[in-house]
Amino acid sequence: DVKVTQSSRYLVKRTGEKVFLECVQDMDHENMFWYRQDPGLGLRLIYFSYDVKMKEKGDIPEGYSVSREKKERFSLILESASTNQTSMYLCATTPGSRSYEQYFGPGTRLTVT
Amino acid sequence: GDSVTQMEGPVTLSEEAFLTINCTYTATGYPSLFWYVQYPGEGLQLLLKATKADDKGSNKGFEATYRKETTSFHLEKGSVQVSDSAVYFCALTLNRDDKIIFGKGTRLHILP
Repeated sequence: DVKVTQSSRYLVKRTGEKVFLECVQDMDHENMFWYRQDPGLGLRLIYFSYDVKMKEKGDIPEGYSVSREKKERFSLILESASTNQTSMYLCATTPGSRSYEQYFGPGTRLTVT
Repeated sequence: GDSVTQMEGPVTLSEEAFLTINCTYTATGYPSLFWYVQYPGEGLQLLLKATKADDKGSNKGFEATYRKETTSFHLEKGSVQVSDSAVYFCALTLNRDDKIIFGKGTRLHILP
């Protein structure tokens, strides 16, 4: 089974802090994605990556950056956390080559106070 | 642009009731269609999929048929259980880059 893990289930940070959310997958998948999930808005794509050191902006990249130094790890960075970034963050992966199905981690619920 | 619209929730049903969650889509080209499910405290997992018109996806008693003429992919189950309580997401991909467009989700509550 594909396993996608996220570094924390719950996280509380203060406004202005730099926040790192980590996602690790163990199935050698090519593609990795970061979403945020908010009530009434569904899932919105923040960033995605098709390969090591490659990144593409999704629909709502403002206020975020990403890093993919190794194939199995995809990090989401909030450079200066703000209260409107309080949300559930979900990481997902696909094997690549038009595999279509995305495999999700359990999510990190981030609260910025 | 490409999008997915699904019925708003929450939907509350009694155990053994019939379930329908409506989903329609707008897409350029020929998308593949999905239903994902999110159980409490978990990430999303694929429930079923259909990759071309008239295909029927099925899993765990749930079914959905890809209707190109009505651009729909409605989720159905004949007899729901309390364990089906979750949030259900309809989604599509245009098969180009593994990106998926999700609907906003429908929360389902099943009462014993």
